Amino acid sequence: QKEVEQNSGPLSVPEGAIASLNCTYSDRGSQSFFWYRQYSGKSPELIMFIYSNGDKEDGRFTAQLNKASQYVSLLIRDSQPSDSATYLCAVTYNTDKLIFGTGTRLQVFP
Amino acid sequence: GAVVSQHPSWVICKSGTSVKIECRSLDFQATTMFWYRQFPKQSLMLMATSNEGSKATYEQGVEKDKFLINHASLTLSTLTVTSAHPEDSSFYICSPSGSYEQFFGPGTRLTVL
Repeated sequence: QKEVEQNSGPLSVPEGAIASLNCTYSDRGSQSFFWYRQYSGKSPELIMFIYSNGDKEDGRFTAQLNKASQYVSLLIRDSQPSDSATYLCAVTYNTDKLIFGTGTRLQVFP
Repeated sequence: GAVVSQHPSWVICKSGTSVKIECRSLDFQATTMFWYRQFPKQSLMLMATSNEGSKATYEQGVEKDKFLINHASLTLSTLTVTSAHPEDSSFYICSPSGSYEQFFGPGTRLTVL
């Protein structure tokens, strides 16, 4: 069974620090990797996607993919209290189906 | 991103009743519709996938006779929870998908008493 693993947290970081969120996946055939942010009671919103090994930067966010290690991470620079949310890692395998991890709760304190 | 609406945004019903949830993609033609549910403190679990005009494909463990999905047009899909029970209480989210993008509706919170 294809699995996506995340540490449930909470991960607590001070405002202005870098938050590092990690995700591992079980199937080497995974093709696309997504990071979503979900506020309590809301549906997920897409932060970034990455397909190729290496880093991809978008503003304060950097996604890192290492297919050999089956590992994808999200770095949030200059963390703000408004970044406090649950971050979901999701993976696709040959289709549009998203397989979600359980999410990591991030708390950014002032 | 696309504008996706779900109706109702929340519903409370008695055990044994049926509840219909509508998902509309207002500015986007969804060739594929995914339906997810999310229990408290858990992640999103895919329930079923439907293509416009075709029968839905259900994930293992999801009863197709209980969760009726209709995807009659490229902009509208419905999920009907038949004979709802308290264990069906969850957050239901539709996700319309086109060739290159996938979006999420705002979700419907179902509480079955």
